Formats: sequence, C-alpha cells, structure tokens
Amino acid sequence: GAVVSQHPSRVICKSGTSVKIECRSLDFQATTMFWYRQFPKKSLMLMATSNEGSKATYEQGVEKDKFLINHASLTLSTLTVTSAHPEDSSFYICSARRLIPYNEQFFGPGTRLTVL
Amino acid sequence: DAKTTQPTSMDCAEGRAANLPCNHSTISGNEYVYWYRQIHSQGPQYIIHGLKNNETNEMASLIITEDRKSSTLILPHATLRDTAVYYCIVDGSLNNAGNMLTFGGGTRLMVKP
Repeated sequence: GAVVSQHPSRVICKSGTSVKIECRSLDFQATTMFWYRQFPKKSLMLMATSNEGSKATYEQGVEKDKFLINHASLTLSTLTVTSAHPEDSSFYICSARRLIPYNEQFFGPGTRLTVL
Repeated sequence: DAKTTQPTSMDCAEGRAANLPCNHSTISGNEYVYWYRQIHSQGPQYIIHGLKNNETNEMASLIITEDRKSSTLILPHATLRDTAVYYCIVDGSLNNAGNMLTFGGGTRLMVKP
C-alpha cells in the first residue's frame, strides 16, 4: 500500500510553546488529508480536513486558531499546535486520501505529543 | 456518530481463527464496510473492505450478510502480532473524495499463547 509519514514521531515540549507536526504522502499526491487525535484507550477523533490550496475544515469543538493546518503542496500537510498546554498531550495521526487508481485512505504512524 | 457496533473486547487462542463481528444495521446502499486495525501506539492499518460480496486477501476474510446489516472479519490463524484494536467502519467515500473515515470504539482483540 501507499506510504504516509509523520515527523516527528514523538515530541516533548514545555507549556506555552508551539509544535509543528508534518504529514507527508511519500508516493502519491493527496489533495485531501485528515488530522485525528487519539487520547489513551480512546478511539480516533477527527480534528480537521486539510485541503490543498484552501483553508482546512475543522470539526465542531476544535479551535482553528490553536490547531493551525497548512496544506501547502499535494504531498505535505502540517499541523501546528500553538501555545501548547498539558491537556493537548495526545497521539496525533494524519491520513491522506489517494484517488488513483481508486479512492483509498492511508494513515501515518502517528506523533506522540507530551506537553510538560 | 459511528454507524457500527462492535464488542468491546475479545480473546483468541494463538493459531485459532479470530472472528470479529460488526453490526451496521443502518448501512446505506452505497456504503462500503472497511476494517482497519491499530496496534498499540501506531497508526491504523488497512485490512480489507467490501460492498456486498465476501472478500479475502492475504490478511483476512470479510463475510457480509445478505442484508448487509452485519459483517464478520476473520483472521484464519491468529498470531500474537494480531493483538490490536480492530475497527469496523462503514463509509461511502469511494463515491465521495472528501469523506473521511469515522472511527467507533473498535474491538480490542487479545491473542493469547
């Protein structure tokens, strides 16, 4: 299957700092990428849909000014957690949708964020 | 809201078949049934998907009832590495590029020696 990477795989930061997470589709172009968040022993919750060349669409309850998403190219979407707080500590997972040869969604390995 | 119902957890003996059920009684005609699994601290991994016919690949088999209101994922010879959370998802996104996959609670499968 296609490959989606995330960087970094884990990050520890101080409260109040900003953290950028990258999501790349390595062998296909993705006009649409998705960002999920997962708390311990919970399921994945969609945060936002990232569209190349346009603004992201955020799910209800997700602060767009806190979770900045930039989908600058067909292979890269970034999620920036601004002014991070301990409650933002979570497992962040991106996915990318491939349309050719047919519509499929591939997930990245996830990024473990710990805010001290 | 997730459109599927799965048991919270299941155990399976190593080497035996693992049969994971999923109810999706409100599935619509253009929605596919997808199965993903998530091993601890990793991203979800695609397993299989189907519309109405039974499907088989190198990982698993998917049995969909004739009325499409339920399905079963079968891992024919479970190994310890199959211990994971298994998610059953119904999704019409093969018909809509903008749709995202919505995850329910999944089934935590524990394969025991």
